[in-house]
Amino acid sequence: NAGVTQTPKFRVLKTGQSMTLLCAQDMNHEYMYWYRQDPGMGLRLIHYSVGEGTTAKGEVPDGYNVSRLKKQNFLLGLESAAPSQTSVYFCASSSYEASNQPQHFGDGTRLSIL
Amino acid sequence: AQTVTQSQPEMSVQEAETVTLSCTYDTSESDYYLFWYKQPPSRQMILVIRQEAYKQQNATENRFSVNFQKAAKSFSLKISDSQLGDAAMYFCAYRSARWGGSEKLVFGKGTKLTVNP
Repeated sequence: NAGVTQTPKFRVLKTGQSMTLLCAQDMNHEYMYWYRQDPGMGLRLIHYSVGEGTTAKGEVPDGYNVSRLKKQNFLLGLESAAPSQTSVYFCASSSYEASNQPQHFGDGTRLSIL
Repeated sequence: AQTVTQSQPEMSVQEAETVTLSCTYDTSESDYYLFWYKQPPSRQMILVIRQEAYKQQNATENRFSVNFQKAAKSFSLKISDSQLGDAAMYFCAYRSARWGGSEKLVFGKGTKLTVNP
């Protein structure tokens, strides 16, 4: 009963390094999302996807790229990490057929950029 | 664009008492969903309660209930008989019910609830 799984859970990067965060869901959901959470800011949408092969920008997309090559996976990439990207990142998914249902969240990834 | 405002960054309540967390939102849409999520120190995002805008009746889940005032665009959360395990960040969230939309959530900045023994 995995739901939404994020890897890794923690990561420390140096400025300028690149990395990819992986989100996997086993609920056959069409929609997937990447949020970042910063103190006092709530959760802000970075990018989202409404289906395999599609992506769209959210509220704070700069410095990030995403890909949805498979329906169950949604990848978030940082090409050149900056200290401002230090945050907790959450992936979520939801079903197209159940619009009144909540989004299901992963447990988050804490990312620190030095 | 829709916005969600939680005007209370922090709240505290005595164990077994009642507390109300405030949330207001701004939208031009008539059909939408509202949610309250709880985030304990474990960092998990846990759905507490949801409300469909077309329903006049306020949602209730055990000790949690909402006061949904559509005209005032207000969606407060009442926690009755507060327990130590209720201590967490609480986020109010909005989602459009527009057909073919992205189903994305718009979150407030959160209210940190402390429960005192």
